[in-house]
Amino acid sequence: QPVLTQAPSASAPLGASVKLTCTLSSGHSNYAIAWHQQQPEKGPRYLMKLNSDGSHRKGDGIPDRFSGSSSGAERYLTISSLQSEDEAEYYCQTWGGSYVFGTGTQVTVL
Amino acid sequence: QIQLQQSGPGLVKPSQTLSLTCAISGDNVSSNSVAWFWIRQPPSRGLEWLGRTYQRSKWFNEYAVSVKGRITIDPDTSKNQFSLHLNSVTPEDTAVYYCGRSTAALIDYWGQGTLVTVSS
Repeated sequence: QPVLTQAPSASAPLGASVKLTCTLSSGHSNYAIAWHQQQPEKGPRYLMKLNSDGSHRKGDGIPDRFSGSSSGAERYLTISSLQSEDEAEYYCQTWGGSYVFGTGTQVTVL
Repeated sequence: QIQLQQSGPGLVKPSQTLSLTCAISGDNVSSNSVAWFWIRQPPSRGLEWLGRTYQRSKWFNEYAVSVKGRITIDPDTSKNQFSLHLNSVTPEDTAVYYCGRSTAALIDYWGQGTLVTVSS
C-alpha cells in the first residue's frame, strides 16, 4: 500500500506563490494522485487529478492559478497569486486497496 | 454538473445504527466507470475511508478493516442514491461523514458533509 508524505505546513505572502509537495513511497512512483482543498469548517473540495507525467485535469470551477506537476515520486500543487481564501488544508489522495490520504499541508497566507 | 446531497440524523445513541443517504444528481449510481464512497473525519483529525460500492458486471462492496462487520453501503437504483449504515456505534464514531464519487480510484466529487454525534 502506498504512503503519501506531506509537509505539515507552508506559508507565503498574499499575492505570492506556494508549491506543495506530496511524495509517494518507494515502489509507487508511477501512481496518479488527486489534490483536495479543505477550508476551515468546510468539507473537502476536489482540485485536480495529477498523473506521473505531470498531466492534470482540474475540477469544475477551479481557478487557473492552481496547477500541478510531477517529478519522479513527487507530485506538486502550485498556487499562484495567493488569495486569502486559499488559506486551507491541502490533502493528496491515491488508491492502494483503500483510499489513501496524505496527512495534509496547512497553508497560511501571510 | 454532478451534485451529491447528504441527509440523515445528526445525533445517534450509543449501540444504535448510524444511517446516512447520499442522493446523486448529474450521474447514475449504476455507472460502470465510477465508485461511490463514504469517508469520515473525526473532530480535528484526518480523513478515514469507510467503504465504497460500485457496479461493473455486478455490484461490488469494499469496506475498511477498521469498520468491517459493522458497515453496509447500499445502492438504490430506483432513487439514484446510496446509503451508509454503521451499527453498534460508540462515541468514537462521532465525526463528519462525507459521501462522494471516485473515478479510477481518485476522488473527484464530495458531498457537503454531515456531522454525526454519538451520545446518549
